[in-house]
Amino acid sequence: KNQVEQSPQSLIILEGKNCTLQCNYTVSPFSNLRWYKQDTGRGPVSLTIMTFSENTKSNGRYTATLDADTKQSSLHITASQLSDSASYICVVSGNTGFQKLVFGTGTRLLVSP
Amino acid sequence: NAGVTQTPKFQVLKTGQSMTLQCAQDMNHNSMYWYRQDPGMGLRLIYYSASEGTTDKGEVPNGYNVSRLNKREFSLRLESAAPSQTSVYFCASRPLRGNTGELFFGEGSRLTVL
Repeated sequence: KNQVEQSPQSLIILEGKNCTLQCNYTVSPFSNLRWYKQDTGRGPVSLTIMTFSENTKSNGRYTATLDADTKQSSLHITASQLSDSASYICVVSGNTGFQKLVFGTGTRLLVSP
Repeated sequence: NAGVTQTPKFQVLKTGQSMTLQCAQDMNHNSMYWYRQDPGMGLRLIYYSASEGTTDKGEVPNGYNVSRLNKREFSLRLESAAPSQTSVYFCASRPLRGNTGELFFGEGSRLTVL
């Protein structure tokens, strides 16, 4: 069964600290993986996309990694800010049919002052 | 830059009542989607429309109907609301027919069925 599992479920860190969120998937065949940020009461917004050939990609203070062999991805947040408080959702796309998107349940991050 | 607009943002219904959630996008996207989001669960696909004139069932279609009115608009209808349909509903659109296109989401519609 195609699944996406994220850990931890929730996380509290102090402002200025770094953190890493994990995403493990079993989706096969694999096309790409996206990380979305969802602020409370808002819709998800894409942060970055990782394709099969990419190992790491940065978007400001966000750095995503992908290990296609172990089917794992991580999202590293550097020097966290209060505005980073949100849910982070990992979404994996299979390449059989364009609707094959599998969503993780998200990691809820709270950055505390 | 409106993007994806959903209405209403909040709605309370009684069991058995009907209602329609409206969604419109101004990005000229071909594909549109309706998802529901419940605590502890990932976003689940209700219905989608790959292109104007087509609609298909997603993972959890029971109790819902959709209409792709034109390229811009995609509505979701609850004919006889049930408490199990209490959820936050998101409309999304995507520009590409393939798998790499980013999903653009609306702000969500929070529905409570009593």
